[in-house]
Amino acid sequence: KQEVTQIPAALSVPEGENLVLNCSFTDSAIYNLQWFRQDPGKGLTSLLLIQSSQREQTSGRLNASLDKSSGRSTLYIAASQPGDSATYLCAVTNQAGTALIFGKGTTLSVSS
Amino acid sequence: GAVVSQHPSWVICKSGTSVKIECRSLDFQATTMFWYRQFPKQSLMLMATSNEGSKATYEQGVEKDKFLINHASLTLSTLTVTSAHPEDSSFYICSAFAYSNQPQHFGDGTRLSIL
Repeated sequence: KQEVTQIPAALSVPEGENLVLNCSFTDSAIYNLQWFRQDPGKGLTSLLLIQSSQREQTSGRLNASLDKSSGRSTLYIAASQPGDSATYLCAVTNQAGTALIFGKGTTLSVSS
Repeated sequence: GAVVSQHPSWVICKSGTSVKIECRSLDFQATTMFWYRQFPKQSLMLMATSNEGSKATYEQGVEKDKFLINHASLTLSTLTVTSAHPEDSSFYICSAFAYSNQPQHFGDGTRLSIL
């Protein structure tokens, strides 16, 4: 059974700092991996999608990497801002067209 | 970009009430939609997979007679929580995708509070 773990559970940093969020999954046979942002009481915003054949994806200050063989992904946030404060969720799908399996998330707080 | 709309966003009702939640894909057709539930400080857990024109597939431990799912068209799936009780209070959220190799898009979720 696929399990997704995110470390750390919470992170507090000062504005401007670069940071890395970690995600690991137990079954390396994934179809794709997706990073989301969730603000308190809100839905999910898709940040980056990495197909199983890809190593990384970038969007603005965000960079996500995937090491499928070791079952790991990282989300790198450059020059963090207070507006980045949210919970970041990592999720994988095991097959095309199937549901996402989520980690518990990393709650990020960026202070000004 | 692909948009998924979910209504209502917040429901407060008495125990024993049935509540219907709608999930619509606004600019794409979705043969499959997913319904998740999120308890406080927990991650999202899949409840069921909603398939257009056929019965939903429920995850283990999810009562299909309590959580009725209807996917009558390629753009609409509904989740009805029947005879809701306080333990059903949670954040319910749906997702859909246009193609399997593209991101899944989520609605804004429905916060259900049963008194």
